[in-house]
Order: sequence, then structure tokens, then C-alpha cells
Amino acid sequence: SAVISQKPSRDICQRGTSLTIQCQVDSQVTMMFWYRQQPGQSLTLIATANQGSEATYESGFVIDKFPISRPNLTFSTLTVSNMSPEDSSIYLCSVERAAGGNIQYFGAGTRLSVL
Amino acid sequence: GENVEQHPSTLSVQEGDSAVIKCTYSDSASNYFPWYKQELGKRPQLIIDIRSNVGEKKDQRIAVTLNKTAKHFSLHITETQPEDSAVYFCAASPLGNEKLTFGTGTRLTIIP
Repeated sequence: SAVISQKPSRDICQRGTSLTIQCQVDSQVTMMFWYRQQPGQSLTLIATANQGSEATYESGFVIDKFPISRPNLTFSTLTVSNMSPEDSSIYLCSVERAAGGNIQYFGAGTRLSVL
Repeated sequence: GENVEQHPSTLSVQEGDSAVIKCTYSDSASNYFPWYKQELGKRPQLIIDIRSNVGEKKDQRIAVTLNKTAKHFSLHITETQPEDSAVYFCAASPLGNEKLTFGTGTRLTIIP
């Protein structure tokens, strides 16, 4: 497995502001992903964070709303921009250690509430 | 893209009995099928996975079966215990693609 630290664990934000979520892994990993889990729902992939290049976004998610950085093989950030109450959700990062292995491990998540 | 359906959405089982959760997938290229357990307020935890070159895999009280022809796979939990109460998610991933598509989840409640 991997030790994944995600910060902050929770936050309450005002409408129109932005929040940056950090994901730190204890060792280098090939793949990092960002998911959204709305209350009582399943996990939806937002994007794949690519090291050294632009993230790959899933349908329905755009870079202007969810900019992602991945400066190295152990760290990534997700920003939720210009927030509205509809962005209230849990945001999770996950990592895959070895390419082709598919096995993903999740961070503890960030519980975001937007007022 | 891949679509994963999961049933039932809720399941209540008497302690000691067995629980079965079923998933179907749409993309015949999918070859990796993990199951995650998520307790309330916690992260999803991988509990078992199977690849398309095997039909069944077992780990103590947990087993997963895969039917590639029918494109469905199932999670079996035997001798259920109260700590098995959680939400369980299945997922699928196609060959050569690292992305997971998750099912809608099953809330399992073990009745003491």
C-alpha cells in the first residue's frame, strides 16, 4: 500500500472563493487521481494528475473549475475554484504505485462545505 | 466508456449469514475488478480484487467471482460480523487504462 496524506481534512468556505487540496505520498508513484464523492454517492473521477504535464479531465470537469498540479512523483494539488454550494462534497486523491497494476489506494479525503 | 451497475443498493443480513453483492460491466475490454469497503467517514479501502485471467479469488471470509462471458462479478462475504457493516463499491478498469469506473455502492448492514 502507500501512506497518503491529504490536507485539509475538512473546510467550510464561502461562495465564490477557492480552496486548494493537497495530496502527499510517502514514495514515488506513477499515477495520481482526483475523485469527487457527493454525499451518499459513489466515486466520480475528476481527472488524472500527470507529472510534468497538464491533467487529463473526465467528461463534465474542466481545468478552469478544477485546476490540478503535479510537480513531482509524490505530490499533487486540486483547486476547487469559484465555489458554489453545489461543490459541497468529499474530494479524494488516489495513487497507483506501479504502471499497469491498476491497484489504487485512497487518501482520507477532504470534506468541503460551501455556504 | 465503461458503465458499472451494482445491486442491491442496500442489504441487511443476520450476523453469521452470507452476503452477496453483484456488479455488471459494459466494456468487454475491462480486465481488472476491485472491491472497496468504505466505513462511515473513512476512506475507501481495497478489500479484494480479481483480474480477468482468473474466475475466482478468495481471502478468508471474502471471495470474488468473475464471469467474463456474462460481464458480471460478485462479492461474497461468509460468516458475516458486525464490523462488516459498511458501504461496498465495485469497480472496473479496461486493459491498458488505469482509470477505475465505480459502481453505485451497496450499504451492507449486519444485524446482531
